[in-house]
Amino acid sequence: EDQVTQSPEALRLQEGESSSLNCSYTVSGLRGLFWYRQDPGKGPEFLFTLYSAGEEKEKERLKATLTKKESFLHITAPKPEDSATYLCAVPPTFSGGYNKLIFGAGTRLAVHP
Amino acid sequence: EPEVTQTPSHQVTQMGQEVILRCVPISNHLYFYWYRQILGQKVEFLVSFYNNEISEKSEIFDDQFSVERPDGSNFTLKIRSTKLEDSAMYFCASRPGQGAREQYFGPGTRLTVT
Repeated sequence: EDQVTQSPEALRLQEGESSSLNCSYTVSGLRGLFWYRQDPGKGPEFLFTLYSAGEEKEKERLKATLTKKESFLHITAPKPEDSATYLCAVPPTFSGGYNKLIFGAGTRLAVHP
Repeated sequence: EPEVTQTPSHQVTQMGQEVILRCVPISNHLYFYWYRQILGQKVEFLVSFYNNEISEKSEIFDDQFSVERPDGSNFTLKIRSTKLEDSAMYFCASRPGQGAREQYFGPGTRLTVT
């Protein structure tokens, strides 16, 4: 069964304290891994797409990396405004045309001053 | 920057009533989706829509649900007879086309069924 598992469930950091979030997946023939940010009561905001092992994408203090079975979202010197839930999603194995995404449960990040 | 918009932001309805959730996808996007998120749970896929027809639907999307693109800009989700368990955030998303795979989500409609 296709699954997306994110860890940790919650992470509390001090401002400036770098860390990494993990997303592991069990789909076959990965056709893209997507990172989103979700603020409370809001819709997911697209951050990155990764397609192949070894690929990296960066945006401000965030860097996403991909291996054959997992992805990491590295947060360097975070600020309080980086506090949010970070979601990982993949298309399932047998879904044609990228018709849907399977989401992980997310990591709730809290960055304190 | 173009955005997906959704109305209303919050809808309260009584069990058994019909509701219509509305979405305006990003202009020139070709693929449209509805997802829902029950409080504290994962975002889960409901239905995808392309070329004026449903391309895929989940087990959740039963006969009580329907989608429509009544004109060139709106995309709606109708729930014919709401149940308590339909209470959730409903997100509309759109995707540009074959070459771009990321989906862009709207702010959501919070549906509360009493």
